[in-house]
Amino acid sequence: AQSVTQPDIHITVSEGASLELRCNYSYGATPYLFWYVQSPGQGLQLLLKYFSGDTLVQGIKGFEAEFKRSQSSFNLRKPSVHWSDAAEYFCAVFTGGGNKLTFGTGTQLKVEL
Amino acid sequence: DTGVSQNPRHKITKRGQNVTFRCDPISEHNRLYWYRQTLGQGPEFLTYFQNEAQLEKSRLLSDRFSAERPKGSFSTLEIQRTEQGDSAMYLCASSPGGGSVHSPLHFGNGTRLTVT
Repeated sequence: AQSVTQPDIHITVSEGASLELRCNYSYGATPYLFWYVQSPGQGLQLLLKYFSGDTLVQGIKGFEAEFKRSQSSFNLRKPSVHWSDAAEYFCAVFTGGGNKLTFGTGTQLKVEL
Repeated sequence: DTGVSQNPRHKITKRGQNVTFRCDPISEHNRLYWYRQTLGQGPEFLTYFQNEAQLEKSRLLSDRFSAERPKGSFSTLEIQRTEQGDSAMYLCASSPGGGSVHSPLHFGNGTRLTVT
């Protein structure tokens, strides 16, 4: 079955430092991959998506992600983190018919000032 | 585009009571999804609608759960005889659908259910 794994439950970075959040997927064909962000008590906001084509995708809020088929990865990056980026980040993949999403368990990002 | 709207934001109920949540999708989005999120976990798929037709239900959706989308617009999710294990955030999402794979899901802010 299609799935995504986020190996890091918590990550702490200093404001202004670079960020990389890991996501590994398990899928037989070319996956449709997403990163969402969730602030406390809120719903999920789409950061970016990968369907095909250029393996480096740009998203909102200065985030980018790179699809690497050889590593089955879709890691999220940001060159310089802002305190407002503190939130939970979820990697997800379209699963089966109906474009259902299967989510990873999330990575909680803490930003130190 | 006013976004996906969910009501209520919070619901506290006693075990054994019935609860109903409402979701208003983005207008003209013909797909509507329900997800459940427990603490420390990612959202888990419950069910989805294409217009008024409920096309798939997860095994997570026990007989106590029922979802409707009678006119293909708003949807309701009802939980009967609530149990403490039902405590979670219930998220609704919508997408234009129509079979396009280039239609990401747009999520509402969720309804947080606490069963005491």
